[in-house]
Amino acid sequence: DAKTTQPNSMESNEEEPVHLPCNHSTISGTDYIHWYRQLPSQGPEYVIHGLTSNVNNRMASLAIAEDRKSSTLILHRATLRDAAVYYCILRDGLEDMRFGAGTRLTVKP
Amino acid sequence: GAGVSQSPRYKVAKRGQDVALRCDPISGHVSLFWYQQALGQGPEFLTYFQNEAQLDKSGLPSDRFFAERPEGSVSTLKIQRTQQEDSAVYLCASSLAGQAYNEQFFGPGTRLTVL
Repeated sequence: DAKTTQPNSMESNEEEPVHLPCNHSTISGTDYIHWYRQLPSQGPEYVIHGLTSNVNNRMASLAIAEDRKSSTLILHRATLRDAAVYYCILRDGLEDMRFGAGTRLTVKP
Repeated sequence: GAGVSQSPRYKVAKRGQDVALRCDPISGHVSLFWYQQALGQGPEFLTYFQNEAQLDKSGLPSDRFFAERPEGSVSTLKIQRTQQEDSAVYLCASSLAGQAYNEQFFGPGTRLTVL
């Protein structure tokens, strides 16, 4: 299985942008890059996904490197409600999702 | 519409007891997944259904774990003769289909504590 590497934790100030990095050097051509986040005491929730091009939605933006070996989840203005564990996951078909340890984001007021 | 629901939300079992955890997926979702999440770790895959067919059960940790989805909707995860190491949050997720670009919708989980 293709694996991802994320920092264990990051901090941000409220209302500032946050860039969460993910390395996936062994990504294959058919792997989609997914981001989920898990708020305390809740199940994970979908944030965004992409294949090759950068993606934007109401929650975040996903910037994918040209060689696809890394990606960055961008929260444009962090709020206290964005404090969560963020998971970067590769998916290539009917597969289940293989979560790693994720990045724990702390947002300071 | 309603999201994925799971019941019970909390379950305390004595070691050796059998437990059954229920998952109600979003109506019309073909795919259903079970995950186990130990404290402080990311979710780990247990098993996957497409309609009533269990396509992958490679993540089930032992033969004490059994999952079913007999009518392609509600699913039950059963753990026989529970052990302390089974204590975890059990998460259920559903999606429209099992394609790599389909979003998975997660339930709130069932926290199982085995004493």
